[in-house]
Amino acid sequence: EDKVVQSPLSLVVHEGDTVTLNCSYEVTNFRSLLWYKQEKKAPTFLFMLTSSGIEKKSGRLSSILDKKELFSILNITATQTGDSAVYLCARGGRGGADGLTFGKGTHLIIQP
Amino acid sequence: NAGVTQTPKFQVLKTGQSMTLQCAQDMNHNSMYWYRQDPGMGLRLIYYSASEGTTDKGEVPNGYNVSRLNKREFSLRLESAAPSQTSVYFCASSEPWTVNTEAFFGQGTRLTVV
Repeated sequence: EDKVVQSPLSLVVHEGDTVTLNCSYEVTNFRSLLWYKQEKKAPTFLFMLTSSGIEKKSGRLSSILDKKELFSILNITATQTGDSAVYLCARGGRGGADGLTFGKGTHLIIQP
Repeated sequence: NAGVTQTPKFQVLKTGQSMTLQCAQDMNHNSMYWYRQDPGMGLRLIYYSASEGTTDKGEVPNGYNVSRLNKREFSLRLESAAPSQTSVYFCASSEPWTVNTEAFFGQGTRLTVV
């Protein structure tokens, strides 16, 4: 059975801090790992990672995958209150339409 | 850009009642999914459909049925609602998985069964 484990489950920091969110996985036939941000409603896509050691970056957010140690991290620098959300990590689809397997998410709160 | 549209957004049911959650996507995706999200549990896959006319069970299918009406629409039916089905339900769609495929989510349906 595939497992995706995120840590911490919740995190409270002050505006301007840098945070690192963790995602470890045990999956068969691994193809990709995805990060989503969920505010009040639908998860919105952040990154898809398929290769080890290649950082993906979007503004203050960045993510990297380690396929040897089976984990990924999501970094957010210079955090803002708008970064408050649940961040979800998921094992990507492997063919056909087998769906994503999600971790439980990290609830990030940025205090002013 | 509608993307994935779910109806209704909110629903309260009594135990034993039935209802159908509707989902439609306008991105011409072949694959569609239903997830439920419960506090502390993340999103869990209920059913998925690789293409029109095909459906498969996910992680938590008990108590649900689905219909892939056409390429655009994928509905989720609760025949006899139970309090354990109180949850937020998300529909999603994607192309068949490749290394560059993501899933797009609807805005969710918050269902309460009393």
